[in-house]
Amino acid sequence: GEDVEQSLFLSVREGDSSVINCTYTDSSSTYLYWYKQEPGAGLQLLTYIFSNMDMKQDQRLTVLLNKKDKHLSLRIADTQTGDSAIYFCAESNNNNDMRFGAGTRLTVKP
Amino acid sequence: DAGVTQSPTHLIKTRGQQVTLRCSPKSGHDTVSWYQQALGQGPQFIFQYYEEEERQRGNFPDRFSGHQFPNYSSELNVNALLLGDSALYLCASSLGLLRTDTQYFGPGTRLTVL
Repeated sequence: GEDVEQSLFLSVREGDSSVINCTYTDSSSTYLYWYKQEPGAGLQLLTYIFSNMDMKQDQRLTVLLNKKDKHLSLRIADTQTGDSAIYFCAESNNNNDMRFGAGTRLTVKP
Repeated sequence: DAGVTQSPTHLIKTRGQQVTLRCSPKSGHDTVSWYQQALGQGPQFIFQYYEEEERQRGNFPDRFSGHQFPNYSSELNVNALLLGDSALYLCASSLGLLRTDTQYFGPGTRLTVL
């Protein structure tokens, strides 16, 4: 079946930029997403990008999509301790279900 | 404006029992999707309800069933519980089909099967 893969851990210092990477296999993906999950909480949609775009910026967040390589990244500028959480990459196609990666645990050190 | 709510927050059951989880969608939303999130994993799509019908289903056995009510709230039922059903069950709501860009998740129900 289709897979979404991401590295499990990332550690950065407060104020640095964080880059979380994701690869997917479904070439028919229509939307690609980044969700944030804090301990004991549900998923918070951070941003999403249509498959016909290659970049989207939203305040401190920048999403880059390389459709040819099926590679998605999320850059968080000026990372803060409150950004510590698990970040999930997800994709969907016109079937309207979503496939998630296993999540990247971001730790921000002061 | 209330977001997606789920009940109960936590639940402990034993193998072979049956469980019902409940979800109220965000105000104005009419579509509800359910996901299972095992510990250390990403969520996996179970099924989606729209207009009181199951519209899409993931790779889950028939022990997992659901229902949507006229007020758009939804239930997830799991029969003959197995230890492997222990997980966080997430409900997500959206407005209409094909609108995963506006999908909001609830806080989840943590199910433990002993």
